[in-house]
Amino acid sequence: GENVEQHPSTLSVQEGDSAVIKCTYSDSASNYFPWYKQELGKRPQLIIDIRSNVGEKKDQRIAVTLNKTAKHFSLHITETQPEDSAVYFCAAGGQFYFGTGTSLTVIP
Amino acid sequence: EPEVTQTPSHQVTQMGQEVILRCVPISNHLYFYWYRQILGQKVEFLVSFYNNEISEKSEIFDDQFSVERPDGSNFTLKIRSTKLEDSAMYFCASSETRGTNEKLFFGSGTQLSVL
Repeated sequence: GENVEQHPSTLSVQEGDSAVIKCTYSDSASNYFPWYKQELGKRPQLIIDIRSNVGEKKDQRIAVTLNKTAKHFSLHITETQPEDSAVYFCAAGGQFYFGTGTSLTVIP
Repeated sequence: EPEVTQTPSHQVTQMGQEVILRCVPISNHLYFYWYRQILGQKVEFLVSFYNNEISEKSEIFDDQFSVERPDGSNFTLKIRSTKLEDSAMYFCASSETRGTNEKLFFGSGTQLSVL
């Protein structure tokens, strides 16, 4: 099955700085890569996704890049705000194999 | 916006007891899933369900687990004889399609505590 690795496990940034979270996957057949944000005690919510026929996708302050050759994809958050503080999970594979999560803290 | 709903939000049970976790997926969705999340850990896939049968399951989903769609709206996860290590948050999810557009919508979860 798919193996998804995610780094870093924790990330602290100053408000206004950028944050980057990286994931690698093992199954070259995977073609859909979502990112979920999970606030403390809440459900995971989809924030952005990318399909294998696209290299980059942006939605306001959030972007995702995909390198199919290297089998990695990254989440980029620019101009971070305190409300961006949460755990972020990447996923890949038809069964949604999740990464281990990145706890992002934005320091005001 | 339509939501996946789950009941109860919290469930406390004694080891060895049976529990049933309930979910109402989004009405036009065809694919249903159960995941679990042990405190502080990642979300783990348990099982997917389509057309009234299990389509995929993980190694976690052993004989103690079963799923059912008893009517046109509910989707349930049953744990036959709970163990301490079953304590976790259980999320139900649904999606409209599979393949390249399989956006998952998660419910708010059931926190299961096995004593």
